[in-house]
Amino acid sequence: GAVVSQHPSRVICKSGTSVKIECRSLDFQATTMFWYRQFPKQSLMLMATSNEGSKATYEQGVEKDKFLINHASLTLSTLTVTSAHPEDSSFYICSANNYGTANTEAFFGQGTRLTVV
Amino acid sequence: GENVEQHPSTLSVQEGDSAVIKCTYSDSASNYFPWYKQELGKRPQLIIDIRSNVGEKKDQRIAVTLNKTAKHFSLHITETQPEDSAVYFCAASSPGGQNFVFGPGTRLSVLP
Repeated sequence: GAVVSQHPSRVICKSGTSVKIECRSLDFQATTMFWYRQFPKQSLMLMATSNEGSKATYEQGVEKDKFLINHASLTLSTLTVTSAHPEDSSFYICSANNYGTANTEAFFGQGTRLTVV
Repeated sequence: GENVEQHPSTLSVQEGDSAVIKCTYSDSASNYFPWYKQELGKRPQLIIDIRSNVGEKKDQRIAVTLNKTAKHFSLHITETQPEDSAVYFCAASSPGGQNFVFGPGTRLSVLP
């Protein structure tokens, strides 16, 4: 199946700094990518929909100035957590749909565990 | 918008028994229903999916059923094995597959 690669897999940062997470579709073009946040033992909560060449669409309650999303190419979307605080510590995961296949399957990156100290 | 509910939240079965997880959705326009398995610390992986023009689909020990009228779909795992232990998420997607709405997940434990 298609491959979505996410980096880094783990990151520890100091409070007040910014962290950038990359999501790449390796063997298909993804006009749309999705960013999720997952708390321990909880479901995947959609944060925003990242559209290539245009502004991201954020879900209600997600601060767009805090979670900056850039989708500059058909294979790369980035999520930047700005001025991170301990409450931003979480598991962040991206996904992309490969519309080139018969099934509209979502492929997930391996996730990024962010710890803000 | 779409709302997906999933039950039970936790499920423990003895190895070899069957496991059933049920989901309901609210948007009658949804037409694609995937199931994902997420092992601890790993990414969700698609295990089976079904479209609204099909009532049932089976792949070895895994099957999914869909009732469009009642707007619910279920995952059935037969002859469970310890490696089936994971969190399972159902999802519903509208035409075009622009977005999935995930259920809250079911933590399945298969006891040896």
